[in-house]
Amino acid sequence: DIQMTQSPSSLSASVGDRVTITCRASQDIRNYLAWFQQKPGKIPNLLIYAASTLQSGVPSRFTGSGSGTHFTLTISSLQPEDVATYYCQKYNSAPGTFGQGTKVEIK
Amino acid sequence: EVQLLESGGGLEQPGGSLRLSCEATGFFFTVSAMTWVRQAPGKGLEWVSGISGSGASIFYADSVKGRFTISRDNSKNTVYLQMSSLRVDDTALYYCAKGAGSTTWYADSWGQGILVTVSS
Repeated sequence: DIQMTQSPSSLSASVGDRVTITCRASQDIRNYLAWFQQKPGKIPNLLIYAASTLQSGVPSRFTGSGSGTHFTLTISSLQPEDVATYYCQKYNSAPGTFGQGTKVEIK
Repeated sequence: EVQLLESGGGLEQPGGSLRLSCEATGFFFTVSAMTWVRQAPGKGLEWVSGISGSGASIFYADSVKGRFTISRDNSKNTVYLQMSSLRVDDTALYYCAKGAGSTTWYADSWGQGILVTVSS
């Protein structure tokens, strides 16, 4: 099965900072990648699918890029409400493996 | 509005069985893949199983293959997860999630989750 690896596992940044999270697939998954945000004590929320398509209602400060095996999620200006754990997920085929998550905190 | 309501969780002993149900409303159930995703306490998300909109395609994570069975009843807008030979490491919050298409394995809507605890 394809493995998904995120980095870093956690980060701390200031409000207004640009934040980038990386997700790597062990094999080519083209653009079949989604990003989810899970705030503390809440259910996961879809942010981005097809590597770069923003889900309806998601703020434009979130952008996704990449294809093949290397993907990134960028928050252009970190806000206090962005404190959460972020997960990538590949979906080119089942199983839809998730990355291990990246915890984002405010410095 | 999409709603996914899980039920059937609880406390079970190792080796036991439980059946989770997820009743769906607010969308065309038969054109949506359905998945189960779990999250152990303090841990990340783990994709458990998925079933296509028609029910013809079924997949499992290696960790549950041979022990869990997913099924769906499109006449009842309900998806099930039959869990057998439960292990302590199956303890988790189990989410029912709606796929974005009939064979699309990322979820655009999630239930609130149901807790399964496996302990003696």
